[in-house]
Amino acid sequence: KNQVEQSPQSLIILEGKNCTLQCNYTVSPFSNLRWYKQDTGRGPVSLTIMTFSENTKSNGRYTATLDADTKQSSLHITASQLSDSASYICVVSGSMDSNYQLIWGAGTKLIIKP
Amino acid sequence: NAGVTQTPKFQVLKTGQSMTLQCAQDMNHEYMSWYRQDPGMGLRLIHYSVGAGITDQGEVPNGYNVSRSTTEDFPLRLLSAAPSQTSVYFCASSRSWGQGSGTEAFFGQGTRLTVV
Repeated sequence: KNQVEQSPQSLIILEGKNCTLQCNYTVSPFSNLRWYKQDTGRGPVSLTIMTFSENTKSNGRYTATLDADTKQSSLHITASQLSDSASYICVVSGSMDSNYQLIWGAGTKLIIKP
Repeated sequence: NAGVTQTPKFQVLKTGQSMTLQCAQDMNHEYMSWYRQDPGMGLRLIHYSVGAGITDQGEVPNGYNVSRSTTEDFPLRLLSAAPSQTSVYFCASSRSWGQGSGTEAFFGQGTRLTVV
């Protein structure tokens, strides 16, 4: 079954600290992997999109890694800020029945404390 | 550009009532979709459209109808609301079909629906 699992479910860190969020997937065949940030009461906003051949991709203080062999991805946040408090969602795109489908993880809720 | 606009932001319905959630985008995107988001679960695709006049079912289509008469608009209709449809609904659009192509999806702010 195609699944995307994220860990931890929630995380609390102090402002200025780094953190890493994990994503494991079983989607096959794989097309690309995305990380979204969702602020409370808002729609998801794309952070990165990674294809099979990309191992690392950065967007400011956010760095995503992808290991397509082990089907794992991580999102590393450097020098966290209060505005980083949000849910971070891993989404994997695969091709099934000739259609592309997005398989969404349940997200990691990140809280940054001053 | 306004991006993707959803209305209303909040709605309370009684069981059996019908209503339409509105979604409009001003980016001339071909692909539009509707998702629902429930606590502890990933977003689930309800219906999608690859262009004006073309719609198809997603993962959880029962109880919902859609139409796409123009490129800009993609309304979602609840035919007879049930408590199980209590959720947050998101509309999204992207430049082209094939989310697998890596095309970025843009989301509206969501509609929080409660069915009592």
